[in-house]
Amino acid sequence: GDSVTQMEGPVTLSEEAFLTINCTYTATGYPSLFWYVQYPGEGLQLLLKATKADDKGSNKGFEATYRKETTSFHLEKGSVQVSDSAVYFCALSSGGSNYKLTFGKGTLLTVNP
Amino acid sequence: GAGVSQSPRYKVAKRGQDVALRCDPISGHVSLFWYQQALGQGPEFLTYFQNEAQLDKSGLPSDRFFAERPEGSVSTLKIQRTQQEDSAVYLCASSLDTGLKLFFGSGTQLSVL
Repeated sequence: GDSVTQMEGPVTLSEEAFLTINCTYTATGYPSLFWYVQYPGEGLQLLLKATKADDKGSNKGFEATYRKETTSFHLEKGSVQVSDSAVYFCALSSGGSNYKLTFGKGTLLTVNP
Repeated sequence: GAGVSQSPRYKVAKRGQDVALRCDPISGHVSLFWYQQALGQGPEFLTYFQNEAQLDKSGLPSDRFFAERPEGSVSTLKIQRTQQEDSAVYLCASSLDTGLKLFFGSGTQLSVL
């Protein structure tokens, strides 16, 4: 079945550091890939997505590129801020069930001033 | 309302009790989803509605779990004879239509003692 494996946390960085959170997936066919973010006390929010190979999703300075050859969708940001502290989830939807998301376990990011 | 609203925010139940969790989706949103998030894990799909029709309930873990959306707006997730393994955060999400951006509520944290 479909699965998502993402980097174990927690990740602790200083402000303005470079961020990478790794995500790899297993899926049938050609999935759509997503990063969701959960700020403390809030619901999950879509951060970015990519629907086909070599697409780059981007939002709020975050980027991820859909790499079919390595089945990966790593999240990157060049300079993190304290306000980026949150839990980040990689997810996919595939096949005929394009409404059904399969999530990774999440990675807690803490950014210190 | 402005977003997806879930109530109660926290629920403590004794083992064997029945519970009902409520979700108010964004007005006009056709699709509604329930996910279960165990501690330290990513959300897992439970069930999906399009308007009042429950199109997929493949993720419901047992016949103790039942969801409804009788008028195509508010939804209730009911768990009968709760067990300790039911302890989790239950997330509701809605979207304007299938395959479009999901909006998540903040969840109901259920603790079964």
